[in-house]
Amino acid sequence: SQTIHQWPATLVQPVGSPLSLECTVEGTSNPNLYWYRQAAGRGLQLLFYSVGIGQISSEVPQNLSASRPQDRQFILSSKKLLLSDSGFYLCAWSVERDAEAFFGQGTRLTVV
Amino acid sequence: GDSVTQMEGPVTLSEEAFLTINCTYTATGYPSLFWYVQYPGEGLQLLLKATKADDKGSNKGFEATYRKETTSFHLEKGSVQVSDSAVYFCALRGSTLGRLYFGRGTQLTVWP
Repeated sequence: SQTIHQWPATLVQPVGSPLSLECTVEGTSNPNLYWYRQAAGRGLQLLFYSVGIGQISSEVPQNLSASRPQDRQFILSSKKLLLSDSGFYLCAWSVERDAEAFFGQGTRLTVV
Repeated sequence: GDSVTQMEGPVTLSEEAFLTINCTYTATGYPSLFWYVQYPGEGLQLLLKATKADDKGSNKGFEATYRKETTSFHLEKGSVQVSDSAVYFCALRGSTLGRLYFGRGTQLTVWP
């Protein structure tokens, strides 16, 4: 069966520090991968979308970047965190065009 | 571009009350529509989906019908329970680009 792993679960980082959040998927090949951010009271915002290795689409201009070094690995990064980067980050995957997406458990990031 | 507009909460109901959460969408082509649920501190879980007009998705007593003429996918449940307390998200997958977009979420609280 397919599973998705996302870590860490919680993270507290100082302003200006780097960030690396990792997401891996097991049990499927060539998934579509997503990074979302959920800020308090603001719903779920699509940050990045990937259909294959090295193929990343950015939905909004921001202080973050994403990479997909392997088929089932998706990394969210920042060189210097801002206070506004705080939020709940969710990784998700899907395969078929009409299929639903499956979510990881999320990472609660607090920038202080 | 593709987007989802969801009824803002919070929604507070007594147990066994009738629930409706409105969702309308804007999209080109024929998108797939979803409802997700998020329990406190967790990632998102798929609740139900519909992939074409007039389809009805249902699960755990919840229902939603894909109405192309009104571009709507309203979530309903005839008798809510305390355990239904969660945040509910309406989502759309565009037929051309495959990205998955979410509404802002609706917080539902059910009191005994």
